[in-house]
Amino acid sequence: AQTIHQWPVAEIKAVGSPLSLGCTIKGKSSPNLYWYWQATGGTLQQLFYSITVGQVESVVQLNLSASRPKDDQFILSTEKLLLSHSGFYLCAWSDNSGNTLYFGEGSRLIVV
Amino acid sequence: AQSVTQPDARVTVSEGASLQLRCKYSYSATPYLFWYVQYPRQGLQLLLKYYSGDPVVQGVNSFEAEFSKSNSSFHLQKASVHWSDSAVYFCALSLPNSAGNKLTFGIGTRVLVRP
Repeated sequence: AQTIHQWPVAEIKAVGSPLSLGCTIKGKSSPNLYWYWQATGGTLQQLFYSITVGQVESVVQLNLSASRPKDDQFILSTEKLLLSHSGFYLCAWSDNSGNTLYFGEGSRLIVV
Repeated sequence: AQSVTQPDARVTVSEGASLQLRCKYSYSATPYLFWYVQYPRQGLQLLLKYYSGDPVVQGVNSFEAEFSKSNSSFHLQKASVHWSDSAVYFCALSLPNSAGNKLTFGIGTRVLVRP
């Protein structure tokens, strides 16, 4: 069975500090990978997706970047956090058909 | 552009009662439709999905949903809720063959089940 693990579970960071969130998928070869962002109490918005190693497409500009260094790993990062980056970040995977997305447990970020 | 509307931000029901959560979508053709559930401080779990065929789809934990093309709706139902069904429920759609398989979510419906 496929498993998806996100880290860290939660972070409190200062404005202007760097951020790195990670996501690993096990049990699935060459998955499509996605990053979604959820504002506190709000709906979800797709940020990035990747269909293969080294290729990442940006969907929304939020002063964030993403990378896919390995087939099973997806990284979300920024060099300078903004207050507006606070929220819940969810990684998801799908097979190559992309018909159904399966989400991880999420990483909660509070920027102060 | 496509959109998803969940008209009820909050729903409160008693344990053992039935539950219906409404979802309407806007798209010129039939999209793929999903219901996800989010328990407190957790990620999203897929309850059920509709691609085509039988308009009534069964999901996990005795949830089911009915697709209506004429009403552009995909309502979620459960015959008898348990306190553990308290959560936020998201309806979502994606478009076949779309770039990035982007899910468009509704705002969610927060369900509180009273003992």
